[in-house]
Amino acid sequence: GQNIDQPTEMTATEGAIVQINCTYQTSGFNGLFWYQQHAGEAPTFLSYNVLDGLEEKGRFSSFLSRSKGYSYLLLKELQMKDSASYLCAVRVLNTNAGKSTFGDGTTLTVKP
Amino acid sequence: NAGVTQTPKFRVLKTGQSMTLLCAQDMNHEYMYWYRQDPGMGLRLIHYSVGEGTTAKGEVPDGYNVSRLKKQNFLLGLESAAPSQTSVYFCASTRTGTGNEQYFGPGTRLTVT
Repeated sequence: GQNIDQPTEMTATEGAIVQINCTYQTSGFNGLFWYQQHAGEAPTFLSYNVLDGLEEKGRFSSFLSRSKGYSYLLLKELQMKDSASYLCAVRVLNTNAGKSTFGDGTTLTVKP
Repeated sequence: NAGVTQTPKFRVLKTGQSMTLLCAQDMNHEYMYWYRQDPGMGLRLIHYSVGEGTTAKGEVPDGYNVSRLKKQNFLLGLESAAPSQTSVYFCASTRTGTGNEQYFGPGTRLTVT
């Protein structure tokens, strides 16, 4: 099975930079997703990494190190609307069903 | 496109009652999933389907059944609801192939008393 760890909560200041870490242990790694979930809403896709390195998309970047079983989501120029839960999800090989296993999520609070 | 829709949005059941949650997607996705999300926790997979007429068990299938008679619809049934099934239920779908993200419905908030 997969074991995915994320910090439970983080707090940051508007305009700052925050890094949300995710570590995983899995056999047959086949990609890692980050989703954003505002309170009371559905998760929405942020990023996907399958190779080592940094993927940048506007204010959000995601990094992956497969050898270390480690990823992070970097949010720059934080805005109040970035207050949400951030879910790390790992996909494994040979599932043939597009399944992902989700971490418990990191609740980010952005303060003025 | 409506994306992924779920009905109902809210429901209160008494212990032992049954109900069906409906999920519909208009993106022609092959794969569909049902998750439950409890407070402070991530998404746990209940059942999933890789195509019309096929279903499979996920991580927490006990107490639930599913059916996928049409490609665009995925139904989740609770035959005899229990308080432990109080949760928010999300349906999701995705295309075949690697690297494709899941698209989620707005969720159904179910309370079993």
